[in-house]
Amino acid sequence: DGGITQSPKYLFRKEGQNVTLSCEQNLNHDAMYWYRQDPGQGLRLIYYSQIVNDFQKGDIAEGYSVSREKKESFPLTVTSAQKNPTAFYLCASSIIARPNTGELFFGEGSRLTVL
Amino acid sequence: QQQVKQSPQSLIVQKGGISIINCAYENTAFDYFPWYQQFPGKGPALLIAIRPDVSEKKEGRFTISFNKSAKQFSLHIMDSQPGDSATYFCAANFGNEKLTFGTGTRLTIIP
Repeated sequence: DGGITQSPKYLFRKEGQNVTLSCEQNLNHDAMYWYRQDPGQGLRLIYYSQIVNDFQKGDIAEGYSVSREKKESFPLTVTSAQKNPTAFYLCASSIIARPNTGELFFGEGSRLTVL
Repeated sequence: QQQVKQSPQSLIVQKGGISIINCAYENTAFDYFPWYQQFPGKGPALLIAIRPDVSEKKEGRFTISFNKSAKQFSLHIMDSQPGDSATYFCAANFGNEKLTFGTGTRLTIIP
């Protein structure tokens, strides 16, 4: 089955530690995204990538880093510089088509809790 | 800045009733307006989408109404069922620009 796999599903971190969330897709999509979800704030874009070895900051990139070494993989590192990292993190992918077909395919998310 | 405003934040509807969620946008360049449905502990999934060349799109019990002059669009769920209980997000974008999401509406359908 094609889809997006995020791991781990739950993660606990002590303050001051970096953590890396994994995102793998087998949909052959060019674009991948990381969103952060907090209650009442919707989905906020952290980083996105439209091609291997290239990525752009989203609306709330501070304290996060990403890499895109392979088309299938787009890991997110939550660094100790992120002041409020406890949240639900969602990875997504999409094809890049003109005109835009628009659909994002999401993983099931990773819930990060900072202790 | 918030380019897509969604209301209400939460909504309780009786089984069999009509659920209505509204969104307003600011950027007149937007040309794609999807709605996503998210169940607890899961990622969102595309529910239905519309482009501004039509005023309404219906898929089963779900309908998007689009008012280009007012820069508003809404989701109507007819004959709402307990299985429709979820969080709904509207969104918008243009070209291949990133989607801008609304803040979400938590819908609860009660018996």
